[in-house]
Amino acid sequence: DAGVIQSPRHEVTEMGQEVTLRCKPISGHNSLFWYRQTMMRGLELLIYFNNNVPIDDSGMPEDRFSAKMPNASFSTLKIQPSEPRDSAVYFCASSLRRGAEYFGPGTRLTVT
Amino acid sequence: RKEVEQDPGPFNVPEGATVAFNCTYSNSASQSFFWYRQDCRKEPKLLMSVYSSGNEDGRFTAQLNRASQYISLLIRDSKLSDSATYLCVVISTGFQKLVFGTGTRLLVSP
Repeated sequence: DAGVIQSPRHEVTEMGQEVTLRCKPISGHNSLFWYRQTMMRGLELLIYFNNNVPIDDSGMPEDRFSAKMPNASFSTLKIQPSEPRDSAVYFCASSLRRGAEYFGPGTRLTVT
Repeated sequence: RKEVEQDPGPFNVPEGATVAFNCTYSNSASQSFFWYRQDCRKEPKLLMSVYSSGNEDGRFTAQLNRASQYISLLIRDSKLSDSATYLCVVISTGFQKLVFGTGTRLLVSP
């Protein structure tokens, strides 16, 4: 199994630009999670989906962030407009059982 | 107060040493507990679940103390490859989402 796939691996963009992060979960997993990791705040859950339906988006920072899961094999996290404080590593994870989450390699986002 | 708290370390130990980390959680309704490991500039990976009666996986032992609301991870006979950040994870009833601690960094030296 290829594991969770994320793209791009690195993204450098200017403030105000739209950023789209992509994720392909492990086939057969019914839950998908988006996390953000920074030195200051650690690993934070942004949103999670169960069977493609958003269950909890209370971690989404503000309206600039949106996430979709149009089907079981694809999800996007969009930031529009991006700001320097959004710079972080964004992880996507999938699971079949709570607690046993498989993380992708992450997208390192830098907003200048 | 953070929901999950860990000593950030770093813990510097020589190869072969035994080292233990603690993690405290604030929500007494928490029901599931895990340890994850994260290598530098890599993604977190599940190390082991933590069961009420305590559990062991090779050189690693995890324990739960519900009365004091903490979990622990003991590593025996440390290897250089154990150098990583260890993340304590808690799932609370009703919330069904993982809450991660900020991690404890371990450095094992020759």
